[in-house]
Amino acid sequence: GENVEQHPSTLSVQEGDSAVIKCTYSDSASNYFPWYKQELGKRPQLIIDIRSNVGEKKDQRIAVTLNKTAKHFSLHITETQPEDSAVYFCAASRRSDMRFGAGTRLTVKP
Amino acid sequence: NAGVTQTPKFRILKIGQSMTLQCAQDMNHNYMYWYRQDPGMGLKLIYYSVGAGITDKGEVPNGYNVSRSTTEDFPLRLELAAPSQTSVYFCASSYSDAADYEQYFGPGTRLTVT
Repeated sequence: GENVEQHPSTLSVQEGDSAVIKCTYSDSASNYFPWYKQELGKRPQLIIDIRSNVGEKKDQRIAVTLNKTAKHFSLHITETQPEDSAVYFCAASRRSDMRFGAGTRLTVKP
Repeated sequence: NAGVTQTPKFRILKIGQSMTLQCAQDMNHNYMYWYRQDPGMGLKLIYYSVGAGITDKGEVPNGYNVSRSTTEDFPLRLELAAPSQTSVYFCASSYSDAADYEQYFGPGTRLTVT
């Protein structure tokens, strides 16, 4: 089955800096790659996603890139703010069988 | 719309007890999912359903059972609870295939088995 690895497990940045989180996947048939933000004690919330027919997608300060050949995708957050502090999860899915990475705890220091 | 609701919010079970985690959605979504999230880890898919009367195993189905008799409800049954089932359980739903439509998550049920 699909295996998703996520790095780093923790990331600390200064407010205003950029943050990059990277994921790799194993199943070349996976075609959908969402990113979720989860604040402490809350449910995961979708922040951005990308499909296998697209190489890059941007939404304000958040962007995701996908390299299908290398089977890796990345989340980029620019101009980070303290409210970006949370745990971020990547996922890869083929139809409804979604596999998640272990998460990255992002801390943005004011 | 209430979205996806889950009950109970918290539960402590003794080893060997059974319980049912309830999940309901009022968005007329066809697809529903159960995930578990262990401390410091990502979510793992337990079971999912593409419509009433149809269920499929996910990544970690052992020790659990599900049923889907209506579009709205998707209960998760734990038989003979074990400490390894201590986790936070999230239910989710989507209009159709999760690869095409956003999944909406419930608030979660925190389960401790001692």
